[in-house]
Amino acid sequence: DSGVTQTPKHLITATGQRVTLRCSPRSGDLSVYWYQQSLDQGLQFLIQYYNGEERAKGNILERFSAQQFPDLHSELNLSSLELGDSALYFCASSVVPGDTQYFGPGTRLTVL
Amino acid sequence: AQSVAQPEDQVNVAEGNPLTVKCTYSVSGNPYLFWYVQYPNRGLQFLLKYITGDNLVKGSYGFEAEFNKSQTSFHLKKPSALVSDSALYFCAVRVNNDMRFGAGTRLTVKP
Repeated sequence: DSGVTQTPKHLITATGQRVTLRCSPRSGDLSVYWYQQSLDQGLQFLIQYYNGEERAKGNILERFSAQQFPDLHSELNLSSLELGDSALYFCASSVVPGDTQYFGPGTRLTVL
Repeated sequence: AQSVAQPEDQVNVAEGNPLTVKCTYSVSGNPYLFWYVQYPNRGLQFLLKYITGDNLVKGSYGFEAEFNKSQTSFHLKKPSALVSDSALYFCAVRVNNDMRFGAGTRLTVKP
C-alpha cells in the first residue's frame, strides 16, 4: 500500500457526461500528479500540482481540469466525455517535485 | 528531447533464470533514473532509483539496476526470476523536477 488513495475505483458513464476523480496523497507529500493509462498510449502525464499551485501540464485535454485543495487532496474533472477517454487514471504524490513518486491504485473509467 | 526508451515491448524468461529489462536514457546533465513495476489491475510501485554514487543500485523484491553512463543505460536485473515477477515494468527519468516514463516492458516468467 503506497499511502495514496483514489476514489472511486471504477466509474462507468455515458458519452457527454462529466465525472470527478479524487486523490488523497501520502501524508506529508505536497506534490500531486495525474496520469492517464490506456492500452494504446501507455502512461501519459496529464498535470502536476505542488502545494496547491499548478506546476506542470502534460498532454491534458481542454475538456479536463484539475485542482489541489488546501488539505492537499486533488480532483481531476473530466467533461464532455468521449469513448476514447476510457482508461485508467492514476494519481501519484511525492514530497517535492522530482522526488520519488508513489502511485495510487487508479480509477478505471469506462465511457459507454 | 530528454526521455527514456525501453527497446523491448515484451521479455520472456524461464523461472529461475536471470532476467534483464532494458532502459536507455537521453538527458542533459546527471540523470535521476527510476524503475517501477505494475502488477495487473494495480498502480505503479516504486522499485529503485539511481541518483548518484554506486552504479549498481539494489531495490525491492531482489531487483537491482546497473547505471552505465557510457552506454546511457539503466537496465533492470534479477539473478533468478520468479513467476510472480510477471508484470509491466516502467523506466523513468527525472527531467526538470518532472518524470518522463518509458512505454513499458511486459515481463513474462514461465514456470
